[in-house]
Amino acid sequence: KQEVTQIPAALSVPEGENLVLNCSFTDSAIYNLQWFRQDPGKGLTSLLLIQSSQREQTSGRLNASLDKSSGRSTLYIAASQPGDSATYLCAVLSGNTGKLIFGQGTTLQVKP
Amino acid sequence: DTAVSQTPKYLVTQMGNDKSIKCEQNLGHDTMYWYKQDSKKFLKIMFSYNNKELIINETVPNRFSPKSPDKAHLNLHINSLELGDSAVYFCASSRLTGELFFGEGSRLTVL
Repeated sequence: KQEVTQIPAALSVPEGENLVLNCSFTDSAIYNLQWFRQDPGKGLTSLLLIQSSQREQTSGRLNASLDKSSGRSTLYIAASQPGDSATYLCAVLSGNTGKLIFGQGTTLQVKP
Repeated sequence: DTAVSQTPKYLVTQMGNDKSIKCEQNLGHDTMYWYKQDSKKFLKIMFSYNNKELIINETVPNRFSPKSPDKAHLNLHINSLELGDSAVYFCASSRLTGELFFGEGSRLTVL
C-alpha cells in the first residue's frame, strides 16, 4: 500500500531564505509526482508535476526533484517571500492503483 | 472561465438530510475525481470517473453516490447525512495519468 510522508509538518523561516520541503513514498511504482500549494480555506493549486521518467522540474523560484529508487522528492524554494506562506502538499499517482495519494502537507510560514 | 468549478461553496444542513454537490470542468479532461479533506487537512480520494465510467471507488459508505452525466460533470449526492460527513469536498480533473486540477472546495457542515 502506497504511503506518502512529508517532513517537516510545519516550518517557519525568515524572508529571503532558501528552503527544502521533503516528501517520501513507500512504493516506487508511480506514474508521476505532483506538488501542490493550498492557501487557508482555498483549493489546491498545482505547482509542479514530475513524470516518473524525469528527475526534476523547475518553475520560477521552485525546483522539484524526484528519486524514484529511494522514494523521495524535494521541493526547493529559493529566496522565500511572505507570499509563499501556505501548506505544500506532495502527491504520487500510484502505478498499481491509479490513485493519487497525498501526504499530510508541510505548513510553511515565511516571516517578513 | 474557471477550470474546475463546484457548487455550492458552503453547505450547512441537519443530520439525516440529503444533499448534492455539483462539479463541472471545462478543461476537456477525461477523468474526474472527488476527494474529501478532513479536519486534520488530510486529503483522501473517494471516487474517480474516466469518460463517465467509475474507475476508482474507495471504501466510502453507500450513502455517497457519484453521478457523471457526461465527462465534463461529476456530481456527488449524499443521503442521510451524518455528523462525520462534515468536511471539505474537492472535485478535480485530469487526463488519465496527468496533472490534476482542483476546484475551490465545498465545505459541508452537518449539525
